[in-house]
Amino acid sequence: GNSVTQMEGPVTLSEEAFLTINCTYTATGYPSLFWYVQYPGEGLQLLLKATKADDKGSNKGFEATYRKETTSFHLEKGSVQVSDSAVYFCALNPSGSARQLTFGSGTQLTVLP
Amino acid sequence: ETGVTQTPRHLVMGMTNKKSLKCEQHLGHNAMYWYKQSAKKPLELMFVYSLEERVENNSVPSRFSPECPNSSHLFLHLHTLQPEDSALYLCASSQGDNSPLHFGNGTRLTVT
Repeated sequence: GNSVTQMEGPVTLSEEAFLTINCTYTATGYPSLFWYVQYPGEGLQLLLKATKADDKGSNKGFEATYRKETTSFHLEKGSVQVSDSAVYFCALNPSGSARQLTFGSGTQLTVLP
Repeated sequence: ETGVTQTPRHLVMGMTNKKSLKCEQHLGHNAMYWYKQSAKKPLELMFVYSLEERVENNSVPSRFSPECPNSSHLFLHLHTLQPEDSALYLCASSQGDNSPLHFGNGTRLTVT
């Protein structure tokens, strides 16, 4: 079946530090890959996505590259801010149907001033 | 008001109570979803409604009963819940099956 594995948190960084949150997946075929972010007290928001191998998704300074050879979609940001403190979810969609969206367990990020 | 609105934000109920969660979307979408978010676990898809018809029911216990009276409103009726049902319940909507999900802020449910 399909699954997503994220690095366990929590992750605590100082402001302006470099961020990497690892995500690997198991799926048949060529799924689309996503990162969602959940700020405190809110629902999930789509942060970025990539739909095919070697695509790079980017938004708000965050980037992730679809690596089929390593089945990975690691999230990176060069310089984090306090406002980036949130829970980050990696997800895959094998078919394009929203009903098939499979989420990871989430990684809590705290950025200290 | 825009987006996806869920009420109440917090709910505490005993195991013998009956309560309902409400979700309203102002995006003109035609599909709505209920998810359960438990600590340190992946989101679990519970129900999906498309054009007001239930198209997915992921083996959810019958103590959870969804209702979709129109394309803008979705309810989750709760009765005789268990403490392990305590979680954040998230509603989402999308325009068709292939477009991104838009989530509400969730209802934090505590069953005592």
